[in-house]
Amino acid sequence: DQQVKQNSPSLSVQEGRISILNCDYTNSMFDYFLWYKKYPAEGPTFLISISSIKDKNEDGRFTVFLNKSAKHLSLHIVPSQPGDSAVYFCAAGGADGSARQLTFGSGTQLTVLP
Amino acid sequence: KAGVTQTPRYLIKTRGQQVTLSCSPISGHRSVSWYQQTPGQGLQFLFEYFSETQRNKGNFPGRFSGRQFSNSRSEMNVSTLELGDSALYLCASSGRDDRYEQYFGPGTRLTVT
Repeated sequence: DQQVKQNSPSLSVQEGRISILNCDYTNSMFDYFLWYKKYPAEGPTFLISISSIKDKNEDGRFTVFLNKSAKHLSLHIVPSQPGDSAVYFCAAGGADGSARQLTFGSGTQLTVLP
Repeated sequence: KAGVTQTPRYLIKTRGQQVTLSCSPISGHRSVSWYQQTPGQGLQFLFEYFSETQRNKGNFPGRFSGRQFSNSRSEMNVSTLELGDSALYLCASSGRDDRYEQYFGPGTRLTVT
């Protein structure tokens, strides 16, 4: 049972435009959500997070939106740059009171075209 | 500040053998978590150590074990290797117990033949 789902395996966007990556979850006990970026042969790099008590968090070009009623979060990257091309994972934590046990989605390959 | 380091980066083992992987967290971080990444199952949580104690454990068989030392460095061990254990093993450290952010190392690519 996938508790965190990224239904789009891939996304292509033109440089300078907005990239929107989506993530759905099923476990209402999750209280913290994170986005990671991963390049081949490297570990995931933390990008941005959001607590369940918020609905938006911004950090530079990255904004994460959380819709708790829909159990949906999204990552917006504006403007997109070719260096953003990577696999993006959403992750959730906090279920069962466990802060460190992150549950990851399957990832979305973002390609930013020059 | 140096990031999370993992050794070795690549490893080839034979079925039935055992393997030990090492992780050094970011300086000052006391929590170390381990994850397994495979094409079929994605990124899955193995276990987390804090102050030399296992705090959380994922749904993996007892062949997977770990430990943490007083300097926060951690090792994970897999005994009686199976072909399905071939994966990228990732270690992550976390510095604050009130925050969820984990910082990952580059991983150890284990191939079991």
